[in-house]
Amino acid sequence: AQTVTQSQPEMSVQEAETVTLSCTYDTSESDYYLFWYKQPPSRQMILVIRQEAYKQQNATENRFSVNFQKAAKSFSLKISDSQLGDAAMYFCAYRSAAQGGSEKLVFGKGTKLTVNP
Amino acid sequence: NAGVMQNPRHLVRRRGQEARLRCSPMKGHSHVYWYRQLPEEGLKFMVYLQKENIIDESGMPKERFSAEFPKEGPSILRIQQVVRGDSAAYFCASSPLISAEAFFGQGTRLTVV
Repeated sequence: AQTVTQSQPEMSVQEAETVTLSCTYDTSESDYYLFWYKQPPSRQMILVIRQEAYKQQNATENRFSVNFQKAAKSFSLKISDSQLGDAAMYFCAYRSAAQGGSEKLVFGKGTKLTVNP
Repeated sequence: NAGVMQNPRHLVRRRGQEARLRCSPMKGHSHVYWYRQLPEEGLKFMVYLQKENIIDESGMPKERFSAEFPKEGPSILRIQQVVRGDSAAYFCASSPLISAEAFFGQGTRLTVV
């Protein structure tokens, strides 16, 4: 079974600075998706960024980028120019892309990000 | 196009009562997923449904929990004879087809007293 591990329960960053959130995963599959979701206090799960495992290029969405290391099974999220609105829980998630594979998302336990003014 | 709608947002039940959680997927989405989030935890998969079919229920507790997604109307997650340990946030997500991105609702927070 696939597992996702987020080793940092809490992180903090100064406004306008850069922070990196760590995520590692375990799978025997070669074809999959990886996601970072943001959960603010409103509880809404918001997709931040998505990476397909077959793509070597790291995904980027504005101030958010990932460092995807397939061999190391590592998928870290970098937030540049941090803003107060970035404060939230961040969840790393895995989903199989194999034909006939499970459609479910497997989540890590999350990292609580605090942004200090 | 309205997002995934879950209701109620908050639900309080006494031990032994039944809880019914509703999820209306986004328009055009025929795939629904239910997840449970315990305090200080990530989301855990419960069940995956398509219209009138349960595709994967590997995360559902064997007793007291059931889910349906009828041809017409919302998907329902039903918990019978609730216990304190059922207190959690329950999230629904929907997608239009297999392997597409899933969109989440705002969740229902169930409190069992």
